Amino acid sequence: QVQLQESGPGLVKPSETLSLTCTVSGVSISSYYWNWIRQSPGKGLEWIGYLYNSGSTTYNPSLKSRVTISVDMSKNQFSLKLNSVTAADTAVYYCTRRGFLDVWGKGTTVTVSS
Amino acid sequence: DIVMTQSPDSLSVSLGERATINCKSSQTVFYSSNNKNSLAWFQQKPGQPPKLLIYWASTRESGVPDRFSGSGSGTDFTLTISSLQAEDVAVYYCQQYYNVPHTFGQGTKLEIK
Repeated sequence: QVQLQESGPGLVKPSETLSLTCTVSGVSISSYYWNWIRQSPGKGLEWIGYLYNSGSTTYNPSLKSRVTISVDMSKNQFSLKLNSVTAADTAVYYCTRRGFLDVWGKGTTVTVSS
Repeated sequence: DIVMTQSPDSLSVSLGERATINCKSSQTVFYSSNNKNSLAWFQQKPGQPPKLLIYWASTRESGVPDRFSGSGSGTDFTLTISSLQAEDVAVYYCQQYYNVPHTFGQGTKLEIK
């Protein structure tokens, strides 16, 4: 079955770059749309952006200036980079599949703190 | 952005009774090209990611018990649990995937009365 696994540092300093990777198993990443979602107590669930057609991207306008989503087809992975982070970016980050989010990773908690 | 508003914020229902959660979008999420509403429902339990229950407003995800059903069209949608079970205690979210940015409701906390 399709499985997603997020990985990356759990602690990031303010003004630095948050970097996460999602490893996809059970299906080729060249199929479907692949999303990053985050959840924080203050802002609830927030869609960050998605990757499709093996490299095209669409981002949430509220984060667009700071976000990059990219793909590594050889590793069946996609990644999130969010730069100039602040405490407001502290959240659980999930990678998911499709517009209606049928498969989710378990999530990874990222704390922004010095 | 399309704003998704759920009601109520919390709900207490007796075991075996019906639970109804509403979701209203600030603009239509109906796709005339495929005649479907781009609306999904999720269940989230503590410490777990959200789980997809319903997509295209009324299509039940594989493996989801048939006591869960979705209805509605345009801007008004409903998730119904026909006979509440103890394992249904959770927070429920609606989500529109019609327009970017995809957006979520604020969540409805469902408890046992």
